[in-house]
Amino acid sequence: QQQVKQSPQSLIVQKGGISIINCAYENTAFDYFPWYQQFPGKGPALLIAIRPDVSEKKEGRFTISFNKSAKQFSLHIMDSQPGDSATYFCAASKSNNDMRFGAGTRLTVKP
Amino acid sequence: EAEVAQSPRYKITEKSQAVAFWCDPISGHATLYWYRQILGQGPELLVQFQDESVVDDSQLPKDRFSAERLKGVDSTLKIQPAELGDSAMYLCASSPGRAFTGELFFGEGSRLTVL
Repeated sequence: QQQVKQSPQSLIVQKGGISIINCAYENTAFDYFPWYQQFPGKGPALLIAIRPDVSEKKEGRFTISFNKSAKQFSLHIMDSQPGDSATYFCAASKSNNDMRFGAGTRLTVKP
Repeated sequence: EAEVAQSPRYKITEKSQAVAFWCDPISGHATLYWYRQILGQGPELLVQFQDESVVDDSQLPKDRFSAERLKGVDSTLKIQPAELGDSAMYLCASSPGRAFTGELFFGEGSRLTVL
């Protein structure tokens, strides 16, 4: 069922550094690409999302870069903070829902 | 702040027993989803409801899993009989409206351990 491939599986970054997580998808029918953040014991929560008509979207310290021709998108977390330590999931969906999630990246930001 | 409510938070059962999970979506949300998240993996869709109707249950193991949303509000996911491989977090999510708006609102999940 996994149609979205996510890397790396885990990531350790120093406080203040840049965290980069990558995803690739196969189905060109996907038209919505969100990133979800999940803390231990909690459900995932939407962080930021992009549609394929733009190549980049920025919200505060979080930026999605989208490459439609390569069928890839990435999450950049600038000035990473210990509070950003969580598991991040990329996802992709078609307009009729059917959201598919990547396997997740466990981010640890060291003080 | 409105939340998706799920219960129980934790469930331990022996294989071949029946288990049931309950979800109450955010008030007014027409679409409800059940996802299964195996430890270390991303959520996988089991079933999607729009109001009381099933929109997609293609990934639901129908020989042992069933789901219902009788009045188009809360929902129950049942497993009978439970198998060892069913150990996972069962997440319920909802989204507003009947047209896809993008954001899914997840509950905190029900963690199932099958012994």
